Amino acid sequence: DVKVTQSSRYLVKRTGEKVFLECVQDMDHENMFWYRQDPGLGLRLIYFSYDVKMKEKGDIPEGYSVSREKKERFSLILESASTNQTSMYLCASSLNGYNEQFFGPGTRLTVL
Amino acid sequence: RKEVEQDPGPFNVPEGATVAFNCTYSNSASQSFFWYRQDCRKEPKLLMSVYSSGNEDGRFTAQLNRASQYISLLIRDSKLSDSATYLCASLEYGNKLVFGAGTILRVKS
Repeated sequence: DVKVTQSSRYLVKRTGEKVFLECVQDMDHENMFWYRQDPGLGLRLIYFSYDVKMKEKGDIPEGYSVSREKKERFSLILESASTNQTSMYLCASSLNGYNEQFFGPGTRLTVL
Repeated sequence: RKEVEQDPGPFNVPEGATVAFNCTYSNSASQSFFWYRQDCRKEPKLLMSVYSSGNEDGRFTAQLNRASQYISLLIRDSKLSDSATYLCASLEYGNKLVFGAGTILRVKS
């Protein structure tokens, strides 16, 4: 079974703090993704990566950056957290570009 | 217009009922489609892929209608445990999955 893990289930940060969200997958998948999910808006893609050190902007990259130094690990960084970044953050991975994505359990981030 | 649209529901149905959801997509070049199930405060989990010829898995049937650009999910003999949010997704160019906002299903005894 594919396993995607995320570093925290719940996180509370203050406005202006730097926030790191980590995601690890154990199935040697090529592609990794970061989404946020908000009520009524569904899942929106922030960034994705199809290889180590490669990254592509998704639909809402503003205010975020990512890092993929190792194939199994994909980090999402909020340089200066703001209240409008309070959300559920979901990491996903897929074998390649044509396969289904498998999700981690999510991190519920609250920015005060 | 959203790229992938779903009726948010909720669909309230009794146990044993048959229920169907549709999902429309705007990109005619989309090649692959998926249905995911998401329980409250949990991550989405793949329910089934949607093939051109249709796909059936037990009580669940998924269909693709390219001419009208929609996919459907049919659930027969609904169970209480089917209560969840159902997300459809289309695979776009560049390995991107675009999700609908989800349809809420509540199965009641």
